[in-house]
Amino acid sequence: NAGVMQNPRHLVRRRGQEARLRCSPMKGHSHVYWYRQLPEEGLKFMVYLQKENIIDESGMPKERFSAEFPKEGPSILRIQQVVRGDSAAYFCASSPLESTEAFFGQGTRLTVV
Amino acid sequence: QKEVEQDPGPLSVPEGAIVSLNCTYSNSAFQYFMWYRQYSRKGPELLMYTYSSGNKEDGRFTAQVDKSSKYISLFIRDSQPSDSATYLCAMIPNQAGTALIFGKGTTLSVSS
Repeated sequence: NAGVMQNPRHLVRRRGQEARLRCSPMKGHSHVYWYRQLPEEGLKFMVYLQKENIIDESGMPKERFSAEFPKEGPSILRIQQVVRGDSAAYFCASSPLESTEAFFGQGTRLTVV
Repeated sequence: QKEVEQDPGPLSVPEGAIVSLNCTYSNSAFQYFMWYRQYSRKGPELLMYTYSSGNKEDGRFTAQVDKSSKYISLFIRDSQPSDSATYLCAMIPNQAGTALIFGKGTTLSVSS
């Protein structure tokens, strides 16, 4: 039973480019969460999604950031026109429908140069 | 006041010591409490998950919740160098499907 899969593990983008981060939840999990972790800081909630639905995006920056979890395929976190301040580790977590236990992937480390 | 407070450490102990890690919180609506372990450059790994006040034990780990004091703890007995990691507390205000709120994490180093 594979865990939460994130790819790529490392992503380098130049300022102004787009970054796409992918997350495949654990089998049977219908909830997906995205978190950002900056150096020396804790995990900050960004967005919570179910299939084809954004449930809570209160942690998402208002501009340049978007997320989706389509009916088929992985969840995508998209960052447009990246800036140096977007450099961070982005983690995805998933949980089953009736559980609060969330399991994390290994993260995508985004570096903006 | 932040919702979840956690001393970042670092905390250094010798092998075999008992380690106590703690978090306090301000929101009395938090009902579910978790401890995650995160090794450097890895994703958080769920260690313990509790709901009610009291103790929950799993091997060398004991999670303790005191809702009246808004205080949770993780105890590690017979600590090992492999326990060296950052420990994150997390909590949820209500039922399934709500985002976790994390503490900043405590960095633990166990020396052999």
